[in-house]
Parts: sequence; C-alpha cells; structure tokens
Amino acid sequence: AQTVTQSQPEMSVQEAETVTLSCTYDTSESDYYLFWYKQPPSRQMILVIRQEAYKQQNATENRFSVNFQKAAKSFSLKISDSQLGDAAMYFCGAGSYQLTFGKGTKLSVIP
Amino acid sequence: DTGVSQDPRHKITKRGQNVTFRCDPISEHNRLYWYRQTLGQGPEFLTYFQNEAQLEKSRLLSDRFSAERPKGSFSTLEIQRTEQGDSAMYLCASSPVRGGERVLSYEQYFGPGTRLTVT
Repeated sequence: AQTVTQSQPEMSVQEAETVTLSCTYDTSESDYYLFWYKQPPSRQMILVIRQEAYKQQNATENRFSVNFQKAAKSFSLKISDSQLGDAAMYFCGAGSYQLTFGKGTKLSVIP
Repeated sequence: DTGVSQDPRHKITKRGQNVTFRCDPISEHNRLYWYRQTLGQGPEFLTYFQNEAQLEKSRLLSDRFSAERPKGSFSTLEIQRTEQGDSAMYLCASSPVRGGERVLSYEQYFGPGTRLTVT
C-alpha cells in the first residue's frame, strides 16, 4: 500500500518569488517514480516534473526543481520566479505502476 | 491534438441508469489507466491495462464497474445502476512502456476527464 501526504492545503506566493510545496510518501515498493502534476481550474492534469527513486540527483525542469530525500521519504517541489500561470492545484504522486496521489496544494500567485 | 481524449466531457444521469465513458490514449502508449477524482481530493486509481489485458483493479472498482480495452486501443468504463456516490470526475491516462510487463510505467499523461453527475 502507498500513501502520499501533502500537508499544505493552500499556499500563496508573490509573483517572481520562490515557493516550496511539501510532499511525503510511504511505499513498500523498491522501484518507483515520484511526480508532481499541476491541475489548473477546470483543466486537465499536466505533468510538471518526474523523479526516479533510484536516482540521487534531484530533477529540474526550467523553473521547477525537486528536493528528493529518499531516506526521509520526502519529495518537495520548488517553483522559482513564480508566474501568474503557475496558479493551480498541485498534486504529488508516487508509484511503480498505478499512482497514489496526495490531496493537493492550492497555489495562488499574487501579482 | 495527439493527447489523451475522453468522451463525453460531461454526463448527467439519473440514479439507477447505466453510463459508459470512452478514452482514447496517445497512440503509441500501451498502458492505459482509469482514475476517479472527487472534489477536494487527488485522483484515486481504479484500474489499468497493458495493451488489451487488464492487469490490476482497485478495491474501489465495485462489481457495478467494468472496464474494457478491446484490441489494446481505446478503452471504455461502464458504470451500471449508478448511485449518487458515483458522482465524480473520471480521468483516463496513458503511458509508454519499454520492455516487458514488469517494466515500470513512465510518466502518465492525463485526459481532460469526464465529469459525472448522478441525480
């Protein structure tokens, strides 16, 4: 069984500033992936970034980066230079085949 | 657009009716997933296929739910005798797989979802 916990139901950030969204997980799988997805209001889930659990190096995608702490089962997302278009629900997911998601963090970007 | 598509986008039905949803995955993806998302929650896994084979089903998938993927292309999800608790967004996703059945799924690409309202 897998569990994913996002402890911040809502976060806000000033435009151009940096924000970090938290995620912890628990899994019995030895091989798995971790993901962050973005879901804008009334729009579909969009993959933001992916981390292979066997890789120690933290993944980065442009303004998005993760801090993966495997021993602590922590997988936080850092968004740098926040933009208005970053406002959305962000879901952390973990799994090897099917994914288990957290309840999400609603990110607001203040102009 | 070569992304995952779902049809219909919205469905309103009366309690006790049957409904069927369709998902067309990205053409080269051989894994296809169904999830359910209720308000304020993240998506919850229902079932997944590799090609035409249904490999896993969640305990959330009661016997009123059935999914098929004939010929390993599009998939359908049918809910029989709908209940108000079935009201949710039903999401489909697909992913590429390299190698055999035991290879991990790579990133999953989601469709826009079908929003079901049971009155």
